[in-house]
Amino acid sequence: AQSVTQLGSHVSVSEGALVLLRCNYSSSVPPYLFWYVQYPNQGLQLLLKYTSAATLVKGINGFEAEFKKSETSFHLTKPSAHMSDAAEYFCAVSGNSGNTPLVFGKGTRLSVIA
Amino acid sequence: DTEVTQTPKHLVMGMTNKKSLKCEQHMGHRAMYWYKQKAKKPPELMFVYSYEKLSINESVPSRFSPECPNSSLLNLHLHALQPEDSALYLCASSQLTANYGYTFGSGTRLTVV
Repeated sequence: AQSVTQLGSHVSVSEGALVLLRCNYSSSVPPYLFWYVQYPNQGLQLLLKYTSAATLVKGINGFEAEFKKSETSFHLTKPSAHMSDAAEYFCAVSGNSGNTPLVFGKGTRLSVIA
Repeated sequence: DTEVTQTPKHLVMGMTNKKSLKCEQHMGHRAMYWYKQKAKKPPELMFVYSYEKLSINESVPSRFSPECPNSSLLNLHLHALQPEDSALYLCASSQLTANYGYTFGSGTRLTVV
């Protein structure tokens, strides 16, 4: 079974500072990994995904994540935070066969301080 | 069309009411999902449909009844709900291969009174 652990339920950064949201996965097979963002009272939007191609994945809104098998990690980063980045971020994992349902981490709420 | 459309956006219902949530996609996705999300929690999987057939039911109470009339439409019928069922109900769809991720709708905010 696959699972993900997000370290830190709340992260606060200053505007313009580096954003780092941590995600570690557990999987018995090579996983597919995803980061989603959720703004208040909205659905989830896919930021980026790792599907066994390049280990450094670039997504929307300037976010990127690096798959590190040795560390079983898939941390999300952005060089410079904007106020509009304030939201809930979910890391998710699925197996690589069929329609294996996504399993979500508990989420990290990102606050951006002016 | 790259969207999943959910209606209604908000729903208030009494414990004796019957109501339905609707989800529609026109991306040719053959897998569709219902998730329930409580405040400050991650989405929890309820049901999975694959080729219009129910493939996963995560031990959801029978007061929630899913239906997939065709490949573009997914319904969730609600009956005799409890106040603790109040939540954001999210629909999603995907290709049948796992590497594309899911496309989520904006959800229905359900309040049971």
